[in-house]
Amino acid sequence: EVQLVQSGAEVKKPGESLTISCKGSGYSFPSYWIGWVRQMPGKGLEWMGTINPRDSDTRYSLSLQGQVTMSVDRSISTAYLQWTSLKASDTGMYFCARRQEVVSTTGAFWRSFDLWGPGTLVTVSS
Amino acid sequence: DMQMTQSPSSLSASVGDRVTITCRASQTISNSLNWYQQKPGKAPQLLIYAATKLQSGVPSRFSGSGSGTDFSLTITSLQPEDFATYYCQQTYTTRWTFGQGTKVDIK
Repeated sequence: EVQLVQSGAEVKKPGESLTISCKGSGYSFPSYWIGWVRQMPGKGLEWMGTINPRDSDTRYSLSLQGQVTMSVDRSISTAYLQWTSLKASDTGMYFCARRQEVVSTTGAFWRSFDLWGPGTLVTVSS
Repeated sequence: DMQMTQSPSSLSASVGDRVTITCRASQTISNSLNWYQQKPGKAPQLLIYAATKLQSGVPSRFSGSGSGTDFSLTITSLQPEDFATYYCQQTYTTRWTFGQGTKVDIK
């Protein structure tokens, strides 16, 4: 089965570090960029960034750059999202997603997130 | 960042209704526009990519239109399982952005 499996819910205190994971299976993990999307409680979706599993090339949201780090371990088909010092405002649901790229006969291409993980709930509270 | 503005923010509709949601980009994005459906407590699901192309497995009552800055998602004959929140997303720029969402609930 083609799927993304995410690590379980976390409860942390402000200032603590955290790494959550996203494991791909049923497809060629290196062939698709992985994206991360945040959803704060009761709010909409926020694109955080994407990472290329082949070479760890990354793109970060300007508002989140420096706040989180994306990484991958190709040997175990797993992507990671890491915080070194959590804040209460980091509380939310974090989704990983596979980036689909469809290429036309003319060379035009379109990208989207075609496969999503179930999400990891992160709660940061003192 | 490119701004994506959806309207309305919410709407109430009945089963069988035709529903249209619009999405406007702050700058032209060609047809690099996707639509997602999210149900409470679940991950989003891709409905439409490239503004008009139906993702595999998505019912044909969903359709997308538009290019440039103005886009729309239409659901013909709303079904009970379609009550959810819908998001547009632009992928024209390196840093993607989502609209704020449109919640469709039961009238």
